[in-house]
Amino acid sequence: DTEVTQTPKHLVMGMTNKKSLKCEQHMGHRAMYWYKQKAKKPPELMFVYSYEKLSINESVPSRFSPECPNSSLLNLHLHALQPEDSALYLCASSQQDFLPSSYEQYFGPGTRLTVT
Amino acid sequence: SQQGEEDPQALSIQEGENATMNCSYKTSINNLQWYRQNSGRGLVHLILIRSNEREKHSGRLRVTLDTSKKSSSLLITASRAADTASYFCATAASGGYQKVTFGTGTKLQVIP
Repeated sequence: DTEVTQTPKHLVMGMTNKKSLKCEQHMGHRAMYWYKQKAKKPPELMFVYSYEKLSINESVPSRFSPECPNSSLLNLHLHALQPEDSALYLCASSQQDFLPSSYEQYFGPGTRLTVT
Repeated sequence: SQQGEEDPQALSIQEGENATMNCSYKTSINNLQWYRQNSGRGLVHLILIRSNEREKHSGRLRVTLDTSKKSSSLLITASRAADTASYFCATAASGGYQKVTFGTGTKLQVIP
């Protein structure tokens, strides 16, 4: 199974709502990533988890809160978002064996988020 | 600013023609990758070239890397309509494989 799944596919939320994005992989990958992608722009790294521990936080505002409950799951909790946070949120995973294959990331289809 | 700058930003070709995309980056790298993204979906890994390699092939893809010029190119031969997508180069700085930075991307349209 080389698939990364993300739910929901689409999400519309108000600025006072609390919602969560979910990501799951069953490839045994021990590194998982959240990216944000605005229209016609490249993905921008937000967070990296390595062996279920947060290893990289790219100075993301606290209204985004990541969580890695186990090695297969990654969540992104959203609270008090702004309209400019509307974007495609991508989850990815990769091996953690320090070989060149570790660089290859497997992406989910993304969650299209609209903040109203 | 972005680690990778790609050109052209957009490319339109006829089916069967070759497509070439270029990527330039700024700092020392361990390797360089190319990814494809279809219309607002997830990215798909295409090929990885290590910093000590100069050329690599995978099917109809040919990637070159010139570390002295900090540049790479992706050639897609005999293009097909299904190759229509955005293509991104991605680099990770030496010593840090997790922090991948994507280039600005080239939007390729292959006309049947």
